[in-house]
Amino acid sequence: DQQVKQNSPSLSVQEGRISILNCDYTNSMFDYFLWYKKYPAEGPTFLISISSIKDKNEDGRFTVFLNKSAKHLSLHIVPSQPGDSAVYFCAASTETSGSRLTFGEGTQLTVNP
Amino acid sequence: EAGVAQSPRYKIIEKRQSVAFWCNPISGHATLYWYQQILGQGPKLLIQFQNNGVVDDSQLPKDRFSAERLKGVDSTLKIQPAKLEDSAVYLCASSLGRLDTQYFGPGTRLTVL
Repeated sequence: DQQVKQNSPSLSVQEGRISILNCDYTNSMFDYFLWYKKYPAEGPTFLISISSIKDKNEDGRFTVFLNKSAKHLSLHIVPSQPGDSAVYFCAASTETSGSRLTFGEGTQLTVNP
Repeated sequence: EAGVAQSPRYKIIEKRQSVAFWCNPISGHATLYWYQQILGQGPKLLIQFQNNGVVDDSQLPKDRFSAERLKGVDSTLKIQPAKLEDSAVYLCASSLGRLDTQYFGPGTRLTVL
């Protein structure tokens, strides 16, 4: 039972344009959502998070949007840079599960110069 | 600040053999996690420690996997005996507390032949 899904295995964008990575979830108990970025041969690194009481959180070039009714969140990167090329994982947790994160499958983002 | 350290980085074994992985978390981090990431999937939590106690091991295949964090600092994860489907990257992460940001190590890539 895949509770967090990232339906696009890959995404390619031009430098300077917007990158939009999508994530869907099925568990309505999820109340905290995170995005992690992973470079090859490295562990995932935390990027940005959002609580279910918000619908948007912004940090520099990165913005996460949450649509609870659609059980959907997205990560916007603008402007995209070649150094943003990495695998992006969406993750979610519930208040009762504490810090147990449920990850999606990941989306490989490639930003072309 | 030193990150999460893991060793070895790569390991190749034959099925039915035993293997152990080591993790040293960020200094002062009370919570330690072991994740399994199978190719093409997101990380899946195997076990979570709070200091030297187990908080969550509900997804750990206890017939073959074991983990310990005896002094509340570094940790070992063991597989005995290994199966082909155990081929994956084993990620260790740590956080200050249970609800704080998780920082990941580079992982150990295990190949079972």
